[in-house]
Amino acid sequence: EDQVTQSPEALRLQEGESSSLNCSYTVSGLRGLFWYRQDPGKGPEFLFTLYSAGEEKEKERLKATLTKKESFLHITAPKPEDSATYLCAVLPLGTSGSRLTFGEGTQLTVNP
Amino acid sequence: GAVVSQHPSRVICKSGTSVKIECRSLDFQATTMFWYRQFPKQSLMLMATSNEGSKATYEQGVEKDKFLINHASLTLSTLTVTSAHPEDSSFYICSARDSKRVYNEQFFGPGTRLTVL
Repeated sequence: EDQVTQSPEALRLQEGESSSLNCSYTVSGLRGLFWYRQDPGKGPEFLFTLYSAGEEKEKERLKATLTKKESFLHITAPKPEDSATYLCAVLPLGTSGSRLTFGEGTQLTVNP
Repeated sequence: GAVVSQHPSRVICKSGTSVKIECRSLDFQATTMFWYRQFPKQSLMLMATSNEGSKATYEQGVEKDKFLINHASLTLSTLTVTSAHPEDSSFYICSARDSKRVYNEQFFGPGTRLTVL
């Protein structure tokens, strides 16, 4: 069974304090791994797609990396506006209709 | 690009009434759309997959007669909650798959907060 586990569940940082969020996954074969950001009361916002081990993607203060077992979302010098829940999802090979498997998310709070 | 809208954003209804939620892909065509439900402080729970021109595929435990899905065009899917009850109160989010993208990324709407009194 496909599984996605995110850690930590919650993370509090001071502004400027860099850190990483983890997404561990178990799938029979990976077609793609996706990172989303979700603000309270809103739908998830697409951030990155990763599909092969060793791949990296960057956007402003965020960098996503991928290995064969996990993905990291690195946040460099975060600002309070980076506070949100970050969701990781995988699309296994052979998935009909692009059904995603989501992790439970990491709730990030960045204090000024 | 890749914008998905939902309407309404918030709805309050009386128990026993039906509520329709619309999901539109504004700048791309979506042969497949998805409907999720999210409870407070929990992740997204897939309810059903909506395919343009064919019947929706429901996840185990989701009543298809209660949650009616229609995907009438390549840019519009609707979810109708029939005979709503207080336990149906939740945050409903749709997503659309951009079939022209290599890895079929899904883009989400802003969500609809349903409150059943």
